[in-house]
Amino acid sequence: GDSVTQMEGPVTLSEEAFLTINCTYTATGYPSLFWYVQYPGEGLQLLLKATKADDKGSNKGFEATYRKETTSFHLEKGSVQVSDSAVYFCALNQAGTALIFGKGTTLSVSS
Amino acid sequence: DAGVTQSPTHLIKTRGQQVTLRCSPKSGHDTVSWYQQALGQGPQFIFQYYEEEERQRGNFPDRFSGHQFPNYSSELNVNALLLGDSALYLCASSLVRAVEAFFGQGTRLTVV
Repeated sequence: GDSVTQMEGPVTLSEEAFLTINCTYTATGYPSLFWYVQYPGEGLQLLLKATKADDKGSNKGFEATYRKETTSFHLEKGSVQVSDSAVYFCALNQAGTALIFGKGTTLSVSS
Repeated sequence: DAGVTQSPTHLIKTRGQQVTLRCSPKSGHDTVSWYQQALGQGPQFIFQYYEEEERQRGNFPDRFSGHQFPNYSSELNVNALLLGDSALYLCASSLVRAVEAFFGQGTRLTVV
């Protein structure tokens, strides 16, 4: 079945450092891909999405490109802030069906 | 515009008891999905409701059941609670076949 694999954390960075969180997927067909963020004690917030190959999703300085040839959707940000500290989840779905999530990557940014 | 709202926010139950969690979808949404998120894990899909019918179900036992009402709100019921049912239960709403789903803040269930 479909699945998502993301790099294990925690990822610890200093403020203004460059961030990459790797995500690869296995799926039949052409899934939509997502990054969700979860702040402590909260639910999930959609960070960005891409619905077809070569699409780039972006939001709040974060970016990810849907790479079908490498089945990847890596999350990047050029300069992280302390407020970016959270757990990040990569996910996919097929045409509005259930979301399939990775295990999450914890990001900790220090000043 | 209110987003997805869940109640209660926290709950403590004893093994063997039954629990009901509630979810009101985002205005205009007709589809509700439930997820279980164990500590340190990604959310796992339980089931999805559309037009008051269970549309899709994940790999969860029959102890987990649900309902959707004509106003699109939904309930998740869990019978015969086990310690392993302790988790954050997340509700997500969407339009049927839409790409995006919006999540509530979750209900933290602790089984003792």
